[in-house]
Amino acid sequence: AQSVTQPDIHITVSEGASLELRCNYSYGATPYLFWYVQSPGQGLQLLLKYFSGDTLVQGIKGFEAEFKRSQSSFNLRKPSVHWSDAAEYFCAVGAEAGKSTFGDGTTLTVKP
Amino acid sequence: DAGVIQSPRHEVTEMGQEVTLRCKPISGHDYLFWYRQTMMRGLELLIYFNNNVPIDDSGMPEDRFSAKMPNASFSTLKIQPSEPRDSAVYFCASSHHLGNQPQHFGDGTRLSIL
Repeated sequence: AQSVTQPDIHITVSEGASLELRCNYSYGATPYLFWYVQSPGQGLQLLLKYFSGDTLVQGIKGFEAEFKRSQSSFNLRKPSVHWSDAAEYFCAVGAEAGKSTFGDGTTLTVKP
Repeated sequence: DAGVIQSPRHEVTEMGQEVTLRCKPISGHDYLFWYRQTMMRGLELLIYFNNNVPIDDSGMPEDRFSAKMPNASFSTLKIQPSEPRDSAVYFCASSHHLGNQPQHFGDGTRLSIL
């Protein structure tokens, strides 16, 4: 069975600082990987996705993520965080014929 | 392109009342998902449909919960009778395929059972 672990429940960074959110997955074959963002009072919105090919994936709002098969990781990064990036972030793994599994989420707080 | 539409956005009702949550998926999507989100349990998948047919309802907490999808453009999640522990945000999502396509979420229904 597939699973997703987001080790950090809560992260605080200063505005303008770099950000890395961790995601580790467990799946037997090549996974489909997603990062979603949830702002207060809203549903989850897709930031980026990895299916195959280039292991560095670019997404919306200046985010990127790198797939590392050897580490079973798909960490999300942003070089300079803006106050509007404060939200909850979810990593998810999907299979060809199976439903997606979501991590427990990481809450990002941005300090002015 | 309209996204997933949920109604109502907020619902406050008394314990024992019937609650019906509604969802209109994105046109052309053949999978529809219902989730519940709470602080304690996070995001939980309740049930999902493929081409209007329920495929997996193992996440439905108990018989008080039921979901239907009478056509490709409409689904309901019903709780009868409601209890205070059902208070949560309920999300509907849709996608083209199952695990290999992203899900598109609605803005949710915030349900409070008094």
